[in-house]
Amino acid sequence: EAQVTQNPRYLITVTGKKLTVTCSQNMNHEYMSWYRQDPGLGLRQIYYSMNVEVTDKGDVPEGYKVSRKEKRNFPLILESPSPNQTSLYFCASSQRPHGPGKTQYFGPGTRLLVL
Amino acid sequence: AQSVTQLDSHVSVSEGTPVLLRCNYSSSYSPSLFWYVQHPNKGLQLLLKYTSAATLVKGINGFEAEFKKSETSFHLTKPSAHMSDAAEYFCVVTVATDKLIFGTGTRLQVFP
Repeated sequence: EAQVTQNPRYLITVTGKKLTVTCSQNMNHEYMSWYRQDPGLGLRQIYYSMNVEVTDKGDVPEGYKVSRKEKRNFPLILESPSPNQTSLYFCASSQRPHGPGKTQYFGPGTRLLVL
Repeated sequence: AQSVTQLDSHVSVSEGTPVLLRCNYSSSYSPSLFWYVQHPNKGLQLLLKYTSAATLVKGINGFEAEFKKSETSFHLTKPSAHMSDAAEYFCVVTVATDKLIFGTGTRLQVFP
């Protein structure tokens, strides 16, 4: 089954404790991205990757890191989480380029609480 | 610059009545437009997409949307709401880049 998986689905942590949220897709997609969803703000892009070893900042990259060593995996790293990073996070993937016909597939989401 | 505005943050309808979720966009180029749905505690699922073919686009679960260039709108409609339609809906625009721009979402409530 074609899918995007994220782990963990729920995470409670404390300020400053490094964490990683994993994302994996089995559709051989070149493009992957991370979003955060906050009430009243919709989804905002954190980072994206057009292919292996190619990553770039989205609209809200501060406090986050990513890596793309393999095509299928795109982990999101919070080196020193802070309470304002409490949010719902989604990973997504698609074929490139975007535009007509290219749909993004979303993971189930990771709900993060930073105390 | 590209942007998308969802005109209603909440919409409430009775079961069996029509649904209208409004979306306006701004784009310097010919856009591709999408509607995604998010059910509680779930990820986003594609409802339908406009990609410069037919202006009336049919999606899953009886939803459809009409692209109106003159009004820069892409409103989502359904003739008869079902309880299972209660969810949050996102209008999304993309142009010839690798970037999606999401609206802030419309929460649809369906009352029995």
